[in-house]
Amino acid sequence: DTAVSQTPKYLVTQMGNDKSIKCEQNLGHDTMYWYKQDSKKFLKIMFSYNNKELIINETVPNRFSPKSPDKAHLNLHINSLELGDSAVYFCASSQALGGQYFGPGTRLTVT
Amino acid sequence: QKEVEQNSGPLSVPEGAIASLNCTYSDRVSQSFFWYRQYSGKSPELIMSIYSNGDKEDGRFTAQLNKASQYVSLLIRDSQPSDSATYLCAVSLGGGSQGNLIFGKGTKLSVKP
Repeated sequence: DTAVSQTPKYLVTQMGNDKSIKCEQNLGHDTMYWYKQDSKKFLKIMFSYNNKELIINETVPNRFSPKSPDKAHLNLHINSLELGDSAVYFCASSQALGGQYFGPGTRLTVT
Repeated sequence: QKEVEQNSGPLSVPEGAIASLNCTYSDRVSQSFFWYRQYSGKSPELIMSIYSNGDKEDGRFTAQLNKASQYVSLLIRDSQPSDSATYLCAVSLGGGSQGNLIFGKGTKLSVKP
């Protein structure tokens, strides 16, 4: 009965590759998010998405794109991976303005 | 640039003491405030939310909000070693992005037995 799940948990890949991270929530929430947590543990929002609107943090490179097949899923696709993309990526979800619930994270390592 | 500031710590308290964690924010129109706990290697876990001025208590945790001073705090009573973690303060963005949160860099709390 996991609330927010992500796959894979670990992802090791080479520079220049394209990869995707999947996220699913079974909480019935209407908004989902992607965050990046860097090596200094700073958690920064990348995207938020509900059925109506995608809000993109302007600092996110356009190599990153969220894809939502339905309300319960928000996947993150990354093109042309770079060394600086290495981080832990968290998916989260919330209902309206309530607190956000985080998935377990995906540790991405780009070599 | 909208910011959330926290002391990075580490904050060290003895077991059974009160731990006090503080946070200030820059966006005056923020309406929602949250505290998350993050254990090393784990994801952030929501422990408190507060939306109006004053205190909100939940078990050993009390969140305090003062919008005029743009200040939010978290008190942990009867601190336990299991409370040792990084505590993240999160504040909602104002305007049309109310659901989006800005996180502070976290305060690392260590509770000594």
